[in-house]
Amino acid sequence: QSALTQPPSASGSPGQSVTISCTGTSSDVGGYNYVSWYQQHPGKAPKLLIFDVSKRPSGVPDRFSGSKSGNTASLTVSGLQAEDEADYYCSSFAGDNNVVFGGGTKLTVL
Amino acid sequence: QMQLQESGPGLVKPSETLSLTCTVSGYSISSGPHWGWTRQPPGKGLEWIGSVYRSGNSYYNTSLRSRVSMSLDTSKNQFSLNLRSVTAADTAIYYCVRIKWIPDYWGPGALVTVSS
Repeated sequence: QSALTQPPSASGSPGQSVTISCTGTSSDVGGYNYVSWYQQHPGKAPKLLIFDVSKRPSGVPDRFSGSKSGNTASLTVSGLQAEDEADYYCSSFAGDNNVVFGGGTKLTVL
Repeated sequence: QMQLQESGPGLVKPSETLSLTCTVSGYSISSGPHWGWTRQPPGKGLEWIGSVYRSGNSYYNTSLRSRVSMSLDTSKNQFSLNLRSVTAADTAIYYCVRIKWIPDYWGPGALVTVSS
């Protein structure tokens, strides 16, 4: 299965909002409400930010929100902070016990 | 608090088998739902390797299916990954994960380098 499509980079100034897209197909993002987003700082394991399209695990600030329309999911980071600078990955259940990841987006806080 | 920890050799020779174990603490792997592995080549993105269910059934990325196997050891609360006939392209950080439709809990990762 093909990787989900994410923009390679995104940026914003402190306090601003940034939205990162994740485009798949009807066989993954569009077909299931099992889209997740991860934040990865250098040298660290990915951290779950969003699951089931828009749910946040305990401890994740509500500045992070997720949504989906058709075959495209989105992660919005509001009130950007310096510590939000990281790589962000989306993933989706893809049927037949498969998971597919996006290529990753490097978020820069200007 | 559930924790996952990868262990295994950090260096594997080309054509040999990469073997990693994930030890889970704070949670019984028999409770599932599923357990699996992902990997990340240095400087690159994440790749799904596959998963193993508490029933013992396993499912693999089609691109790796011919070389990979996974298993559970409920008595040790561990699960494992074997990747045969490795090449330099298999050099990566390997993460063990719990899967609830998608990976939710992750281990810290283990760097495995394939080199002679």
